[in-house]
Amino acid sequence: GAVVSQHPSRVICKSGTSVKIECRSLDFQATTMFWYRQFPKQSLMLMATSNEGSKATYEQGVEKDKFLINHASLTLSTLTVTSAHPEDSSFYICSAPSGGAEQFFGPGTRLTVL
Amino acid sequence: AQSVTQLDSQVPVFEEAPVELRCNYSSSVSVYLFWYVQYPNQGLQLLLKYLSGSTLVKGINGFEAEFNKSQTSFHLRKPSVHISDTAEYFCAVSRSNDYKLSFGAGTTVTVRA
Repeated sequence: GAVVSQHPSRVICKSGTSVKIECRSLDFQATTMFWYRQFPKQSLMLMATSNEGSKATYEQGVEKDKFLINHASLTLSTLTVTSAHPEDSSFYICSAPSGGAEQFFGPGTRLTVL
Repeated sequence: AQSVTQLDSQVPVFEEAPVELRCNYSSSVSVYLFWYVQYPNQGLQLLLKYLSGSTLVKGINGFEAEFNKSQTSFHLRKPSVHISDTAEYFCAVSRSNDYKLSFGAGTTVTVRA
């Protein structure tokens, strides 16, 4: 099946700094990618839809100025958590459909904000 | 909008016993249905999916699920579990006209010897 990678797998940062997370589709092109957030022992919540060549669309309640998304190419989407605070600590997962209804998920990025 | 309810938050089960994880959904439009498994600190792996056709769907690792439109359910089953099946299981739906997934709260399966 299709492969989606994320980098980094883990990141620890100080409060107030910004963190960039990359999501790449390795063997297929993705005009759309999705970003999810998962708190411990909870489900995945869709944050935003990343669209190649246009602005991302955010789900209700997600601050677009805090979670900047850039879909730079057909294989890369980045999520930047700006001015991170401890409450932003979470597991961030991206996914991409490879032409059908099925989505392929990245391995996730564990963000810890001190 | 669609929603997903996983009726069991935790399911303890003995090795080689059968297991069923329940999932109900609500949607005003036709949907695609999925079951994913997540191991600790990892992403999601697709177990199986229902898009159309036969309502009994077979997936990886011996799992299967049955789509029941009248009951709006998509329960996951495995006749004999292994220790390695210990994980978190998520039921998800997407509308047939886009790829946005809505997830259930998850079911933690713990398999004991």
